[in-house]
Amino acid sequence: DQQVKQNSPSLSVQEGRISILNCDYTNSMFDYFLWYKKYPAEGPTFLISISSIKDKNEDGRFTVFLNKSAKHLSLHIVPSQPGDSAVYFCAANYGKLTFGQGTILTVHP
Amino acid sequence: SAVISQKPSRDICQRGTSLTIQCQVDSQVTMMFWYRQQPGQSLTLIATANQGSEATYESGFVIDKFPISRPNLTFSTLTVSNMSPEDSSIYLCSVGEGAGAFFGQGTRLTVV
Repeated sequence: DQQVKQNSPSLSVQEGRISILNCDYTNSMFDYFLWYKKYPAEGPTFLISISSIKDKNEDGRFTVFLNKSAKHLSLHIVPSQPGDSAVYFCAANYGKLTFGQGTILTVHP
Repeated sequence: SAVISQKPSRDICQRGTSLTIQCQVDSQVTMMFWYRQQPGQSLTLIATANQGSEATYESGFVIDKFPISRPNLTFSTLTVSNMSPEDSSIYLCSVGEGAGAFFGQGTRLTVV
């Protein structure tokens, strides 16, 4: 039973446009949500997080939105840049981290 | 922050053999975590390695298949034993939790 799901394996976006990556979860006990970014041949690195008591957290070009009633999380990147091309993992925390499958983002110049 | 060195970065192994993956951290940490990412799947926690005690395994993972060593506060190894093609995955070590989690670059294992 996959508690955290990223249903889009890949996303392609034009440079300068908005990238929206989505994540759904099933466990209402998750208290903290995170996004990680992974380049090829590197480990994931932390990008941005949000507590379950908030519905939005912004850090520069990156904004994470949390809709608890829908058990849905999204990451917005605007404007998207070619250097944002990577695999993005969402993760949820309840004692330990549970990850989604990842979404490959490609930003075209 | 923490710098994690993991090796080997990749390997191709024969079925039935074992591979030991090493993880070195540049600072002392209490817990180290081992993850697996099978093709098309999510990062899945295998076990938590504490120095001076046996590792704690997640559901679906057993010590006989994935023995772990933690001889000191900066080093750990994960062995994938008696490998089969289903063990072909990326294996990652990690330290810290949540926003403070840092990962090694991963070991891409292919079992033939």
